Order: sequence, then structure tokens, then C-alpha cells
Amino acid sequence: EAQVTQNPRYLITVTGKKLTVTCSQNMNHEYMSWYRQDPGLGLRQIYYSMNVEVTDKGDVPEGYKVSRKEKRNFPLILESPSPNQTSLYFCASSPTRLRNEQFFGPGTRLTVL
Amino acid sequence: AQSVTQLDSQVPVFEEAPVELRCNYSSSVSVYLFWYVQYPNQGLQLLLKYLSGSTLVKGINGFEAEFNKSQTSFHLRKPSVHISDTAEYFCAVSEPAAGNKLTFGGGTRVLVKP
Repeated sequence: EAQVTQNPRYLITVTGKKLTVTCSQNMNHEYMSWYRQDPGLGLRQIYYSMNVEVTDKGDVPEGYKVSRKEKRNFPLILESPSPNQTSLYFCASSPTRLRNEQFFGPGTRLTVL
Repeated sequence: AQSVTQLDSQVPVFEEAPVELRCNYSSSVSVYLFWYVQYPNQGLQLLLKYLSGSTLVKGINGFEAEFNKSQTSFHLRKPSVHISDTAEYFCAVSEPAAGNKLTFGGGTRVLVKP
């Protein structure tokens, strides 16, 4: 089954404790992206990757890091989480950078205390 | 820069009644337009998309949307809703010249009442 998977689905942590949210897709997509969803703000892009070893900032990259060492994986790293990073996070992928809709993962709900 | 405005944050509607969700965008160039649906505790699914051609686009689950270039709108409609249509709906725009970057509206929460 073609899908985007994220782990963990739910995470409660404390301020300053480094964490990683994994994202994996099995559709051989070049383009991958991370979004955060906050009430009333819709989804905002954090980082994206056009292909292996190619990443770039989205609209709200502060406090986040990413890497793209393999085509299928695109982990999101919070080196020192803060309460304002409490949010619902989505990973997405698409086959090319143009004209194609993105496929979304199920989401990761993160709470930073 | 592109932006998307969804004019209603919440829309209560009775079962079997019609519903319209409004979406306006701002962009100075040609755009692609999308509607996504998010059911409770799930990720986003594509409902429909406009890339080119006919301005009336039909999607899954009986939804349709009309692209109006002069009014920069892409309103979503369904003539008769079901309880299962209770969800949050997101309008999104992308500019081909900017690759696949999606800009989302703030979302409209639809609550279908029996």
C-alpha cells in the first residue's frame, strides 16, 4: 500500500529535550515536506526537500532541522523543543515538484511542557 | 506572495442540506488550486484539484468546486451533506513557477447535524 508513515503519532516531552519525528514514504517520491498545523492558521511549511541531500527552509523553519540522506526518509529534528512548538505535524510527499498533489502522513501530535 | 483566505472558520449544517465553503486567494500569476479534507484524528486527503481546463471541478464524495479567475475564488460545494462529511476542509494554492509549495488557508470546520 502506497503511504506516508510518521512516528511517533503522539509525543509529550519537556522543554529542551531533543527529539526526532520520523517520516517515510514508499512511493519513490522526490519531493518531501514538513508542515505544522495550528488552529486558525491552517498548515504552514517548515522545511522541504526536492531530493536526496537537497533541503530548504519553508515559512516557519526556526527551531527545526531536517535531513534527507535517503530518498524515502525525511526526519524532523527539534534540537531544543520549546512550548511554542506544541502542534500537530504532518509530513507529505509528491512525485515531482510540479503539478502533483501531495500525499500526507497521519500526523504527529507533539506537546512540549 | 500567494495567500489563501477561508472566510468561514466554522459552518454548522443540517444533514441533507447543501453546503458551500468559501475560499479566496491572492496571487499575481497562474495558480493551481486544491481542496483537502481532514477527518477527525486523520491526515489530509485530497478532495479535488484545479490545474487547468474546465472551471467546474468534481471531486470525491459528491463535492465540486468552481474556479473563478476574476474573483480569485475557488468555492467548494456539496448539494446534500451527510453526517460523515463532518470534518475540517482546507483550501490550498500553489504556483507552478514556485514549484510544489502549497499555501493553505486557515481551514473551515464543518459540523453536520442530524
